[in-house]
Amino acid sequence: AQKITQTQPGMFVQEKEAVTLDCTYDTSDQSYGLFWYKQPSSGEMIFLIYQGSYDEQNATEGRYSLNFQKARKSANLVISASQLGDSAMYFCAWSDDKIIFGKGTRLHILP
Amino acid sequence: DGGITQSPKYLFRKEGQNVTLSCEQNLNHDAMYWYRQDPGQGLRLIYYSQIVNDFQKGDIAEGYSVSREKKESFPLTVTSAQKNPTAFYLCASRTSGRMNEQFFGPGTRLTVL
Repeated sequence: AQKITQTQPGMFVQEKEAVTLDCTYDTSDQSYGLFWYKQPSSGEMIFLIYQGSYDEQNATEGRYSLNFQKARKSANLVISASQLGDSAMYFCAWSDDKIIFGKGTRLHILP
Repeated sequence: DGGITQSPKYLFRKEGQNVTLSCEQNLNHDAMYWYRQDPGQGLRLIYYSQIVNDFQKGDIAEGYSVSREKKESFPLTVTSAQKNPTAFYLCASRTSGRMNEQFFGPGTRLTVL
């Protein structure tokens, strides 16, 4: 069965610093998608970034980038120049016909 | 405006009662999903449906049931067989295809007293 692992339950980062949130996955599939979502305290799920298994370039969306290392089965999220509003839970997800989520990392941005 | 609606936002039920959570989308998405989230935890897949009149169990389907009679609707029933039903329930949908992002509803917080 597919498995998503986020090893950092919580992180504290100073405002304006870059932060890397780790995500590894376990699959024998060749075709799959990887996603990152943000969940503020309000509970809504906000899509951040996507990476396809066949994409050769790392995905970027504004301050978010995805460090995709296929051989290592890792898909780390990098947030550049963190802001106070980045404080939230962050979930990595793996997709074929269904989408499986990791347990999340709670990110705290310190002023 | 296109989106996913879940109602109600908060729901209270007595132990032993079945309860149905609604999920409606007007995004013309084929696939719909139900997740459960416990405090401080990730999302766990309960059921998903890729087409009308068909659905599959996720990782924690026991004690839950679903139907998909219309493309727009995917209601979830929490039965009395679910031993610990108090949780935050999220519905999502997406266009078919593993490379497509999910869109989420605002969630329903169910409390069983």
